[in-house]
Amino acid sequence: GESVGLHLPTLSVQEGDNSIINCAYSNSASDYFIWYKQESGKGPQFIIDIRSNMDKRQGQRVTVLLNKTVKHLSLQIAATQPGDSAVYFCAESYYGSARQLTFGSGTQLTVLP
Amino acid sequence: DSGVTQTPKHLITATGQRVTLRCSPRSGDLSVYWYQQSLDQGLQFLIQYYNGEERAKGNILERFSAQQFPDLHSELNLSSLELGDSALYFCASSVGQGASYGYTFGSGTRLTVV
Repeated sequence: GESVGLHLPTLSVQEGDNSIINCAYSNSASDYFIWYKQESGKGPQFIIDIRSNMDKRQGQRVTVLLNKTVKHLSLQIAATQPGDSAVYFCAESYYGSARQLTFGSGTQLTVLP
Repeated sequence: DSGVTQTPKHLITATGQRVTLRCSPRSGDLSVYWYQQSLDQGLQFLIQYYNGEERAKGNILERFSAQQFPDLHSELNLSSLELGDSALYFCASSVGQGASYGYTFGSGTRLTVV
């Protein structure tokens, strides 16, 4: 599919398996984090968010884990489906930045049949 | 359909030219943000408007400018285009200011400078 041509880290998983996508964020002052999914030809789509006063948040088939000590986020997708194939970005923001988003470089997830 | 409309979807132009990208935010959203997604830089924040006023600037070149009109649509003007300006340009909108209000992205405009 169309990524943006970046040489992205890639993750290939079998359909039905769980996926874990990792992200290291840069600013220790960041207090709000979002995971986005970007499919070919589309803009980033919100998946799940988490604030810095939490270390785990669950959605439908997705879980985000936040480790502020090592500035690390992960996105877990349960029972990965072909429709989950996309580029996944983490993004961070903090109050002092007027809450603008700083995006990570992204991970290309490919779900194998 | 996210509710954020960007036109045109594709644009091919020559170096040195000027182009205008247009964004209509979701109904009710007052903030508009512009992001550039290029081959080597990922998604970079360019500029934000809230209810017609510029509120934040990111890595936006002096050759680029933007504005938000009274009907809340926004235009991003790119001038003296260079090959390196080739990228996807995304607009996002939100009710309030900042990502915690919930950004919604449009589908982007792919700009190719030849």
